[in-house]
Amino acid sequence: SQTIHQWPATLVQPVGSPLSLECTVEGTSNPNLYWYRQAAGRGLQLLFYSVGIGQISSEVPQNLSASRPQDRQFILSSKKLLLSDSGFYLCAWSQGLARGQFFGPGTRLTVL
Amino acid sequence: EDKVVQSPLSLVVHEGDTVTLNCSYEVTNFRSLLWYKQEKKAPTFLFMLTSSGIEKKSGRLSSILDKKELFSILNITATQTGDSAVYLCAVTVQYNNNDMRFGAGTRLTVKP
Repeated sequence: SQTIHQWPATLVQPVGSPLSLECTVEGTSNPNLYWYRQAAGRGLQLLFYSVGIGQISSEVPQNLSASRPQDRQFILSSKKLLLSDSGFYLCAWSQGLARGQFFGPGTRLTVL
Repeated sequence: EDKVVQSPLSLVVHEGDTVTLNCSYEVTNFRSLLWYKQEKKAPTFLFMLTSSGIEKKSGRLSSILDKKELFSILNITATQTGDSAVYLCAVTVQYNNNDMRFGAGTRLTVKP
């Protein structure tokens, strides 16, 4: 069966500090991978998606970036965090959306 | 601009009540509509709907799609406290397996 991991679960970072959130998927190969952000009281906003190693598409221009160094690894990064980067970050995977997307446990980021 | 609107935003009921959650959408090249349940962390997949008028059912939950009027409903009968969660609606579009637009969600609270 497939599982998806995210870490860390919770993160508190000062403004201007760098960020690295990691997501890995087990039990499937060549998945589509996604990063979402969920701000308090709002829906999920798609940030990045990837259909393969090294292939990243950005949905929203911002100070975040994503990378996919391996087939089942997806990384969300920032060089300098802003207060507005605070939120709940979710990684998800799918196989062509035939059965929807499946989400990781999420990382709650607070930027102070 | 694609839109997914859920209503109500928040709902409080007592155990045993039946609730109906609404999701309306305006997207180009609609493909499917998905419902997710989000408790404390990651959303979990409930239903995917692609055809009008065909009810999907899982236990006390059921959902139906109306592609003419561009909406879907999620029904929960005989609610239990464990049904308390945020219910998210998302829409996918044709020709783009990577595009899911989420609504803001409906927060359901079931009181004992």
